[in-house]
Amino acid sequence: KAGVTQTPRYLIKTRGQQVTLSCSPISGHRSVSWYQQTPGQGLQFLFEYFSETQRNKGNFPGRFSGRQFSNSRSEMNVSTLELGDSALYLCASSLTSGQFSMNTEAFFGQGTRLTVV
Amino acid sequence: GEDVEQSLFLSVREGDSSVINCTYTDSSSTYLYWYKQEPGAGLQLLTYIFSNMDMKQDQRLTVLLNKKDKHLSLRIADTQTGDSAIYFCAEGQDSNYQLIWGAGTKLIIKP
Repeated sequence: KAGVTQTPRYLIKTRGQQVTLSCSPISGHRSVSWYQQTPGQGLQFLFEYFSETQRNKGNFPGRFSGRQFSNSRSEMNVSTLELGDSALYLCASSLTSGQFSMNTEAFFGQGTRLTVV
Repeated sequence: GEDVEQSLFLSVREGDSSVINCTYTDSSSTYLYWYKQEPGAGLQLLTYIFSNMDMKQDQRLTVLLNKKDKHLSLRIADTQTGDSAIYFCAEGQDSNYQLIWGAGTKLIIKP
C-alpha cells in the first residue's frame, strides 16, 4: 500500500508570506502528526489530528495551524513566515491515537523542506 | 523537563559495533522507540522496547534499557556503510499520549 505522501517536497518562500503543506496518510490511518525538524534540534512536535480533531498541540506560536479532513488528509499552515521557520516538516500517520502499544508505529513521509528567504 | 537527550554524532569503523545512547525523562513511559532516518528520507521505526524489559535483540540490533537510570541504548553489531543514518530515540509518554523525541545521533562509518 502507498506510504505517507507529503507535498510539495520543496518550497521557497519569502518572509511574511504564508504557506500550506499537505499530508496524505496511509490508507486506513486516522492519526496524523506534524513535526518540525531542524539540525541539532531533533523533532519538535507541532500537533496531532485524529478523526478531524486536534488531540495534541506542541509549543509553537499561533502562526502554525493545521486541520484534518474527513478522508484523514491533513494540511498545515504557517502564516507570516519568519527566517527561523526554515526546516524540514515531517508528517507521520498511525493507525490509532492515544495509548501507546506495540502497534502504535508512526509512519513518516519524506517531508517538505521549507526555505524562507 | 521533557527532554530526551542523545549525543549528536557517533563515528565508528566499518565492522565494529556502534552503541548509541539516549536518556529519557518520564519513568512512566511504557514504550521506547528507535527510529532511523536515512538521507533524504523520512523516519522509519527500527525497533521498540516495552518498559518492563531489560533487553531486546533483533538480528544485529540490541536494545538495552536501564529503567532506574532512564537510559536506553541501541547497539548495532558489525556496522555496515548502509547503517549510516541519523538515529532517533523517542519515548511514548502515557500521561499525554505524545512521543517525545531526542535530537538524533548521526552515525558516521569510517572505512
